[in-house]
Amino acid sequence: GAVVSQHPSRVICKSGTSVKIECRSLDFQATTMFWYRQFPKQSLMLMATSNEGSKATYEQGVEKDKFLINHASLTLSTLTVTSAHPEDSSFYICSARPLAGGTDTQYFGPGTRLTVL
Amino acid sequence: GESVGLHLPTLSVQEGDNSIINCAYSNSASDYFIWYKQESGKGPQFIIDIRSNMDKRQGQRVTVLLNKTVKHLSLQIAATQPGDSAVYFCAEKVAFPGGKLIFGQGTELSVKP
Repeated sequence: GAVVSQHPSRVICKSGTSVKIECRSLDFQATTMFWYRQFPKQSLMLMATSNEGSKATYEQGVEKDKFLINHASLTLSTLTVTSAHPEDSSFYICSARPLAGGTDTQYFGPGTRLTVL
Repeated sequence: GESVGLHLPTLSVQEGDNSIINCAYSNSASDYFIWYKQESGKGPQFIIDIRSNMDKRQGQRVTVLLNKTVKHLSLQIAATQPGDSAVYFCAEKVAFPGGKLIFGQGTELSVKP
């Protein structure tokens, strides 16, 4: 149980294009999902908190117009990197917190490796 | 605060030995803590958690200890196996807002056969 998937697992794109990453909770519902970015040999950095049916909450220093988040259902959140540039190349990971049981645990997806040429 | 470490601390142990991974957390108001294991190129995998009203919790081959006085968390792995080689992160849940997790810098565990 508590499986989270991400699609695609890796993507290579040209500078200036936009890339959409999907995060799905497969066997549970989640009103809250989180998006993280991780650079090599570093920890996970929270980018934003995605709430179903409302606007995402962005961490300080994260541009909301560049990293568009949509959480349209209890099992799907999407992150769109708009006008991607090489410095956006990173490992993007989502997590989901189950709605049921009042748990604080977050379950993570397998990550998406983004490379911007 | 959030960790932005440039160098991962490393721990090298012999197969079969016990491993202890330490973590200092930042917020005395944090009420929930989790240990995650991350293998190369993969997302973090839940290992064990503990609430702030406890000081010890045991799982299968793993034990988490919490010392709130000094804001310290540790993960003990018994009879470490090569499959335990990974980066281990502790995370603290910020009480407000939104219950977000703040991750520690991570420790790379290397198990020698």
